[in-house]
Amino acid sequence: DTGVSQNPRHKITKRGQNVTFRCDPISEHNRLYWYRQTLGQGPEFLTYFQNEAQLEKSRLLSDRFSAERPKGSFSTLEIQRTEQGDSAMYLCASSVSGQLRAGELFFGEGSRLTVL
Amino acid sequence: AQSVTQLDSHVSVSEGTPVLLRCNYSSSYSPSLFWYVQHPNKGLQLLLKYTSAATLVKGINGFEAEFKKSETSFHLTKPSAHMSDAAEYFCVVSGSASKIIFGSGTRLSIRP
Repeated sequence: DTGVSQNPRHKITKRGQNVTFRCDPISEHNRLYWYRQTLGQGPEFLTYFQNEAQLEKSRLLSDRFSAERPKGSFSTLEIQRTEQGDSAMYLCASSVSGQLRAGELFFGEGSRLTVL
Repeated sequence: AQSVTQLDSHVSVSEGTPVLLRCNYSSSYSPSLFWYVQHPNKGLQLLLKYTSAATLVKGINGFEAEFKKSETSFHLTKPSAHMSDAAEYFCVVSGSASKIIFGSGTRLSIRP
């Protein structure tokens, strides 16, 4: 399968614990995006990378959220000291750069976080 | 600034009848517009896109959308609904790589 892969698919954790999600994009895609989706809402942009550079992170929800893409391939999204309000689906998407392709995102199936 | 508004949170149609999912956008410049579909327990998938070429855009599974600048609309249509079309549909506006904004979604239900 050469699509976007996210792990784990489901994570249940207790409030205050740290969690990390991994995303493996389509191999030739240089852009990688993280979104959050809550029930009944559309995906909400968090951050994106072009290669290993994080070009936009102002939408990360708080300083408890951080993302990395160390070698320009896979990416991780970490949430520290989780809160119940962090419960959501975390979506990863990848794309190629270029004006004509902007907005053409390929999504993984998401990582669902439940904070007890 | 950009924004997108999906006018209906839920649309229900009978199988074989037309589908209309409404989307209005706001953008300070000429945007790119997209529709994505999300089936239950599946990842989001691109249905179609508008990038300032033809105003009537055809997508997968028989869907199409028309860009109307005067009405700032990009409504999604399909002549005849199929049971497999039941899903959540998202209208998206894009002005740059970091400004890809999703609407709140429209859930499409198909009655047998």
